[in-house]
Amino acid sequence: ETGVTQSPTHLIKTRGQQVTLRCSSQSGHNTVSWYQQALGQGPQFIFQYYREEENGRGNFPPRFSGLQFPNYSSELNVNALELDDSALYLCASSLGYGYTFGSGTRLTVV
Amino acid sequence: SQQGEEDPQALSIQEGENATMNCSYKTSINNLQWYRQNSGRGLVHLILIRSNEREKHSGRLRVTLDTSKKSSSLLITASRAADTASYFCATVAYNTDKLIFGTGTRLQVFP
Repeated sequence: ETGVTQSPTHLIKTRGQQVTLRCSSQSGHNTVSWYQQALGQGPQFIFQYYREEENGRGNFPPRFSGLQFPNYSSELNVNALELDDSALYLCASSLGYGYTFGSGTRLTVV
Repeated sequence: SQQGEEDPQALSIQEGENATMNCSYKTSINNLQWYRQNSGRGLVHLILIRSNEREKHSGRLRVTLDTSKKSSSLLITASRAADTASYFCATVAYNTDKLIFGTGTRLQVFP
């Protein structure tokens, strides 16, 4: 059973809107990463936060932004949604080498 | 961008048979990890192999790593219908802990 919880599980948004996805990390894990997984593809790294600071970013535009809170929970914000943003968004927390993934949020942009 | 490719893209076998999946990657790594994903949901960590290791076992799983060829393989022995899932390799480079995933292998095990 995963210790990482993501909400919501499913979401439908209209092109141009903004969305916030949430992640509750496994207890004690101070690093959180976000991944985007398009249908039939492997997950792609969006960014990582360590102790509330961004600590690495993948090839995603600035309209993808994030926050990590003192309790190590995290948010992923996407502005000006595009149809291609439709994907499964995965959050993973870690404390060293091991990663624990949440079940993901399925975002559909129409 | 994806780090590497997995082969085959899809694999169908009968219960009891062994399943072998291969992963190739492009850059030097600190470690390589294998994950399982059921029906497009969350990823489950299966096994981690470090760059100075050549083989690792965990239950019915056997992972090999050949850093000279930049490749890894995952063997699932005596497969079960419950092993049906997508399997991904992911690499971690030195001085980072971000995962770079491959394209995945879809495994179907028939009862």
